[in-house]
Amino acid sequence: QSALTQPASVSGSPGQSITISCSGTSSDIGYYDYVSWYQQHPGKAPKLMIYDVTKRPSGVSNRFSGSKSGDTASLTISGLQAEDEADYFCSSYTTSNTLVFGPGTKLTVL
Amino acid sequence: EVQLVESGGGLVQPGGSLRLSCAASGFSFNTYAMSWVRQAPGKGLEWVSVISGTIIAGRGGETYYADSVKGRFAVSRDNSKNTLYLEMNSLRAEDTAVYYCAKCIASTSSRSLDHWGQGTLVTVSS
Repeated sequence: QSALTQPASVSGSPGQSITISCSGTSSDIGYYDYVSWYQQHPGKAPKLMIYDVTKRPSGVSNRFSGSKSGDTASLTISGLQAEDEADYFCSSYTTSNTLVFGPGTKLTVL
Repeated sequence: EVQLVESGGGLVQPGGSLRLSCAASGFSFNTYAMSWVRQAPGKGLEWVSVISGTIIAGRGGETYYADSVKGRFAVSRDNSKNTLYLEMNSLRAEDTAVYYCAKCIASTSSRSLDHWGQGTLVTVSS
């Protein structure tokens, strides 16, 4: 059950767009279209932002979008806002019927 | 409104046991799979286990575990009480974490977790 790979940190200025990558294998991201992205502010529980690669739960801003190519998924946040500063975790369902997370990416809004 | 409230965390000695509970409300609890996810202090998220929901009478309750807890932890659910449990045995220092209960978006898999509780802290230390 190896973890997915994410960059440790990304940053951007208000109004800009950023993309966070999430790399896996043919047993997780490459096999299923079951990639999710979670936002976590300090001291808070994670919040689902994207599921099934591209879908947004009700109430999540359309500034958040997801995509996938092969074994790598991506989260794009457009029109960066100060409130977007948080940790972002990707996850994928695996062929072992388990869930695997990435190590998280700290987003800093400059 | 979906609500998940964990309880049962605390300080336990290495080798000890603890049972976590998660009281659910605001949705058809028996229908959905439920997961436990933990987060060690200052670290990332680690999926722990899942138990499937019941979509066909007499079916459901399938369980899967992360390798790190397999054989030591057991997940269960009481659909009559809308409650999820995690029985943790042979606890180790590396099990120290905030444990989150999470509702799965599907009935039979943990592919995505759409609602989370506030978490309960488990500390394993002598």
